[in-house]
Amino acid sequence: SLVLTQPPSVSVAPGETARISCGGNNIGSVGVHWYQKRPGQAPLMVMYYDSDRPSGIPERFSGSNSANTATLTISRVEAGDEADYYCQAWDTSSDLPVFGGGTKLTVL
Amino acid sequence: QINLRESGPALVKPTQTLTLTCTFSGFSLGSSGVGVSWVRQPPGKALEWLALIYWDDDTRYSPSLRSRLNITKDTSKSQVFLTLTDLGPVDTATYFCAHYDYHTSEMASWGQGTLVTVSS
Repeated sequence: SLVLTQPPSVSVAPGETARISCGGNNIGSVGVHWYQKRPGQAPLMVMYYDSDRPSGIPERFSGSNSANTATLTISRVEAGDEADYYCQAWDTSSDLPVFGGGTKLTVL
Repeated sequence: QINLRESGPALVKPTQTLTLTCTFSGFSLGSSGVGVSWVRQPPGKALEWLALIYWDDDTRYSPSLRSRLNITKDTSKSQVFLTLTDLGPVDTATYFCAHYDYHTSEMASWGQGTLVTVSS
């Protein structure tokens, strides 16, 4: 079955670029979605199908997916971007959706 | 505009059965390609996918919880129900429901969640 692996934490200074990875076997062959989760709030989809931004999500958010790694990139990071980020994909072997373990983005 | 809202008891006792309701608007579970998913987040832990029901009544469950979960729907009332049996303290979590797209597997719209505490 597909296991999605994320780094537990990523730290960047304001204005810098944050890159959050999501590793999985042949993940490049399926679409990966990304969610932002702030405490006490509902998850918010910030990227779908690897690199498509939902309406209302800043252009600073971008995504890519190739081979065994998907990446969410946040450019010109702001204090308001501090949150947990989760990747999610469809496991074709089990026919189930799968979440990564989440990455805590800290803005220094 | 799609909206979802979870409802259910805030406190349940160990060994009891939890039933949660997701009431939604802005879409129909009678439409092809539509689903509703349940996801939970224990305090301080990661999101955990639980269950999914599709427009055609097909269902999917987390392998680790399959024996304890049941998901059903009432299309006419725009509601989805999740039942979790034999509760324990580890089931304490915020439970979310989300609109699920069959074709892309994305969950674009979520409810605000409902916190369920399992305690005697």
